[in-house]
Amino acid sequence: AQKITQTQPGMFVQEKEAVTLDCTYDTSDPSYGLFWYKQPSSGEMIFLIYQGSYDQQNATEGRYSLNFQKARKSANLVISASQLGDSAMYFCAMREGQGGSEKLVFGKGTKLTVNP
Amino acid sequence: DAGVTQSPTHLIKTRGQQVTLRCSPKSGHDTVSWYQQALGQGPQFIFQYYEEEERQRGNFPDRFSGHQFPNYSSELNVNALLLGDSALYLCASSEAGVSLYQETQYFGPGTRLLVL
Repeated sequence: AQKITQTQPGMFVQEKEAVTLDCTYDTSDPSYGLFWYKQPSSGEMIFLIYQGSYDQQNATEGRYSLNFQKARKSANLVISASQLGDSAMYFCAMREGQGGSEKLVFGKGTKLTVNP
Repeated sequence: DAGVTQSPTHLIKTRGQQVTLRCSPKSGHDTVSWYQQALGQGPQFIFQYYEEEERQRGNFPDRFSGHQFPNYSSELNVNALLLGDSALYLCASSEAGVSLYQETQYFGPGTRLLVL
């Protein structure tokens, strides 16, 4: 079974509007971390935001916020005020366990296109 | 503060050859993980090195091997290359033993390997 599911192969948004990228996960470990990375066409994976399973509040980093719904096992990324430079692939990833250096398991990604 | 660096950026090899990819971690990081990203897919974990030892391994054959040096830099070696090894190879670094947030993995720009 897939551990990370991203059901939107592609999304389109108008510049300056907000967009939500979906991510659901599957784990039986009570301790886990959820990450979102951005991958432009250049290939580098850029870390955006992190949410720990025990965090009480949704994570925010500038224009990025993570809508964490633990009971539904979802960790959607919200990008506010989209910019043309936000056009890229976006990957949701999960790390299981207490230690921080366990492997990351990635979803298949969502391609976001921001239109002017 | 230098980020994660990888070399070379691109590489073309023929089937059966061997290849070595290199990674220098972000300053202050001691753990290096390697991922393979096939076209149109999310990254897949190959293995992780910490204190010059392979700490964790994904579902990759023994043709894939690695090494970590005392300065924390790392190499990924792939022997007997197959056409299916063509991919973007990503290196990520992190700092073990700190808070879960600080153990976020930061990625390099990747090495694009083409096997003909």
